[in-house]
Amino acid sequence: EVQLVQSGAEVKKPGESLKISCKGAGYSFSNYWIAWVRQMPGKGLEWMGIIYGRDSDTRYSPSFEGHVTISADKSTTSAYLQWSSLKASDTAMYYCALRYGGVYFDYWGQGTLVTVSS
Amino acid sequence: QSALTQPASVSGSLGQSITVSCTGTSGDVGAYNYVSWYQHHPGKVPKLMIYDVSSRPSGVSNRFSGSKSGNTASLTISGLQAEDEADYYCISYTSSRTSVVFGGGTKVTVL
Repeated sequence: EVQLVQSGAEVKKPGESLKISCKGAGYSFSNYWIAWVRQMPGKGLEWMGIIYGRDSDTRYSPSFEGHVTISADKSTTSAYLQWSSLKASDTAMYYCALRYGGVYFDYWGQGTLVTVSS
Repeated sequence: QSALTQPASVSGSLGQSITVSCTGTSGDVGAYNYVSWYQHHPGKVPKLMIYDVSSRPSGVSNRFSGSKSGNTASLTISGLQAEDEADYYCISYTSSRTSVVFGGGTKVTVL
């Protein structure tokens, strides 16, 4: 069974760093793209970027490039979303999504809630 | 501002049909038959409803249908039901390096 399992909720202070994960299972990690999507409180879904499992080719949304780092590790079949210095405005639910059956996102992680507060 | 333009809200009465539009450009919606639609209920995980413009995944009600004309894709929900009340997003493949463009989402309200 294809699954994406995300790491648990995080509570951080402004300025701290953070790396959240999305572990793929039940499929060949190297052959597919995984995207990261943000939903800020009360707002809509925003596409952040997408990474290819085989060679970590990464494409960022212009809105997020330079603010986050997306990476992948074939050995752990996981994709990651990383911040070097969190801001309160990074408080959001973050989803990973798998482009598996075709050029669409048919599998989603359960979401990771990140709260940044002093 | 999202790359694909959706109306902020659409409403309809129980049993009626509604259509949500998704307007892009000749570099995304107009160029490829790779438009997909997602339903998102608050607190839940987004769900794929339509892919490749008009195909329905297994398990999705046939009350949901998709189409495309030029640079605009559309999602139609017929026989509107209370459980259809949710946010709906379109996503398209794009020729730009980003490879993905999202719509801003449409809140569907069932009156």
